[in-house]
Amino acid sequence: NAGVTQTPKFQVLKTGQSMTLQCAQDMNHEYMSWYRQDPGMGLRLIHYSVGAGITDQGEVPNGYNVSRSTTEDFPLRLLSAAPSQTSVYFCASSLNRDPYEQYFGPGTRLTVT
Amino acid sequence: DAKTTQPNSMESNEEEPVHLPCNHSTISGTDYIHWYRQLPSQGPEYVIHGLTSNVNNRMASLAIAEDRKSSTLILHRATLRDAAVYYCILNRYGNKLVFGAGTILRVKS
Repeated sequence: NAGVTQTPKFQVLKTGQSMTLQCAQDMNHEYMSWYRQDPGMGLRLIHYSVGAGITDQGEVPNGYNVSRSTTEDFPLRLLSAAPSQTSVYFCASSLNRDPYEQYFGPGTRLTVT
Repeated sequence: DAKTTQPNSMESNEEEPVHLPCNHSTISGTDYIHWYRQLPSQGPEYVIHGLTSNVNNRMASLAIAEDRKSSTLILHRATLRDAAVYYCILNRYGNKLVFGAGTILRVKS
């Protein structure tokens, strides 16, 4: 049981480039979400999904797209990277019937120059 | 979601109990109290959650005031591995979490 995995661990992008951050979980969790954490701050919710085919916006969705075609995967797409998107990105998952224990991945550290 | 107030930092000696306070005077009746911690360079880790009654699990205990306006996370014997940022979060459903700055816990050997 690998839990929540994220790739890549580190990424450097130039302004305007696009990329996809990958998140996968093998716990059959319906609920998945993406957060970003800026230096010295708490996490902020970007997008979330309560199941395959269903996504919704969180607190800071601008500049990011998500889709959920399978229960296991929840990729986060940056359409045109900006320096303001330099951050550490965390993916989390949980069961819908027990949302109180969220499992977080190890994070992807993204730098946009 | 209602706001929480936590001390910026606390210090503890190894193998001693640690009491991490959290004030949440505007908590609503349906808000659960969640605690997560984040070790350096890692993702947050669930610690415990509760609604009204005190809760215990293998990691910690959660003591909730009778009026629910404050709570305390108790680590019974701090180890160096417990050095982390501890977040107290109020949320009705437990999934769309709003993280504040948390409390930095330092553990001295």
